[in-house]
Amino acid sequence: SQQGEEDPQALSIQEGENATMNCSYKTSINNLQWYRQNSGRGLVHLILIRSNEREKHSGRLRVTLDTSKKSSSLLITASRAADTASYFCATDAESGGSNYKLTFGKGTLLTVNP
Amino acid sequence: EAGVAQSPRYKIIEKRQSVAFWCNPISGHATLYWYQQILGQGPKLLIQFQNNGVVDDSQLPKDRFSAERLKGVDSTLKIQPAKLEDSAVYLCASSLEGKSKNIQYFGAGTRLSVL
Repeated sequence: SQQGEEDPQALSIQEGENATMNCSYKTSINNLQWYRQNSGRGLVHLILIRSNEREKHSGRLRVTLDTSKKSSSLLITASRAADTASYFCATDAESGGSNYKLTFGKGTLLTVNP
Repeated sequence: EAGVAQSPRYKIIEKRQSVAFWCNPISGHATLYWYQQILGQGPKLLIQFQNNGVVDDSQLPKDRFSAERLKGVDSTLKIQPAKLEDSAVYLCASSLEGKSKNIQYFGAGTRLSVL
């Protein structure tokens, strides 16, 4: 089952604009991660935010986490055509022993038009 | 540092045939994952290995899917027999450990088409 649900499903913007994607989840988490997937490629990790953090920055990326609302947002500032990709949030859950697994949402397809 | 290697990149088979995918994780990564990604959806975990032991295979359709990770390094995922609904991209990922904070590194995937 999918834990995270991204919103919107698709987003189209012009180069230079900001893009905001949202993720909602159902159960309590330790961490939440965001990944990017270019067409025909594997996923690439972008950023991890811990449950006791509210905001985190990495370059042009800004992630927020609201555990009371079970939601997170990913903001990409000053977007570029190369940012065109699908973006997934992933939440952790115990898988066995002291191991954890990630559960991915359906993703947001971002298109940045030059 | 070499990334996660997967082969083949593409595979086309007819239903009821068998198929196998291979994955070589990043050197030193103890945890290996196989995911199924159907078009338009996020990856779904099929099986998770810690070294050569299975940690989680709760979503693996065991009547037709099998996976092994001999010697705790390379892994193979097999489907026998394949169904039309198995058409998807099969992604392999690895991480240093299976801890909550660990980042997963993905291969480019194998795109399977079942006709």
